Amino acid sequence: AQSVAQPEDQVNVAEGNPLTVKCTYSVSGNPYLFWYVQYPNRGLQFLLKYITGDNLVKGSYGFEAEFNKSQTSFHLKKPSALVSDSALYFCAVSQLRRNSSYKLIFGSGTRLLVRP
Amino acid sequence: ETGVTQTPRHLVMGMTNKKSLKCEQHLGHNAMYWYKQSAKKPLELMFVYSLEERVENNSVPSRFSPECPNSSHLFLHLHTLQPEDSALYLCASSQLSGQGYNEQFFGPGTRLTVL
Repeated sequence: AQSVAQPEDQVNVAEGNPLTVKCTYSVSGNPYLFWYVQYPNRGLQFLLKYITGDNLVKGSYGFEAEFNKSQTSFHLKKPSALVSDSALYFCAVSQLRRNSSYKLIFGSGTRLLVRP
Repeated sequence: ETGVTQTPRHLVMGMTNKKSLKCEQHLGHNAMYWYKQSAKKPLELMFVYSLEERVENNSVPSRFSPECPNSSHLFLHLHTLQPEDSALYLCASSQLSGQGYNEQFFGPGTRLTVL
């Protein structure tokens, strides 16, 4: 069965410093991996995804993620954190279902707190 | 704005009430989803509609009843809810593909409180 793990409930980083939010996955077959962000009282916003090709994926708001097949990881990164990046981040893997529909298996989420 | 709207944004209801949540997507997608987000739990997928046909029902209690009259609209009808049903209910849509790598677009959610 497909699964996603986010080992950190919270990540604290100072503004201007690089940030990493960790994600590991377990899938059968080729993984389709996603990162979403959720700001307070809002729905989830798509940041980036990995389908195939280059292991470094660039997304919205300066975020990027590195796909590492040998370590089954898909960590989210940003070279310089902003206070406005403080939010809840979800990693997800796609699971194909019948009728060509699919479901996203979400991790438990990691709260990022960027202090001024 | 993601192109997915949800109404109402906030709802307070008693356990004997009947209410409905509405979701509308303006993206031309052909799949829609209901999720439940509680404070202490990961996102829980409740229902999936693919081409207006319900294709997934993740053991959701019958007090939650979805309806998808067309590809742009999705409803969640609520009746005789319990306090533990209080949560943020999120709607999402996506375009189906044979491979499953299209991202889902989420609405802002309805914050439901059951008294």
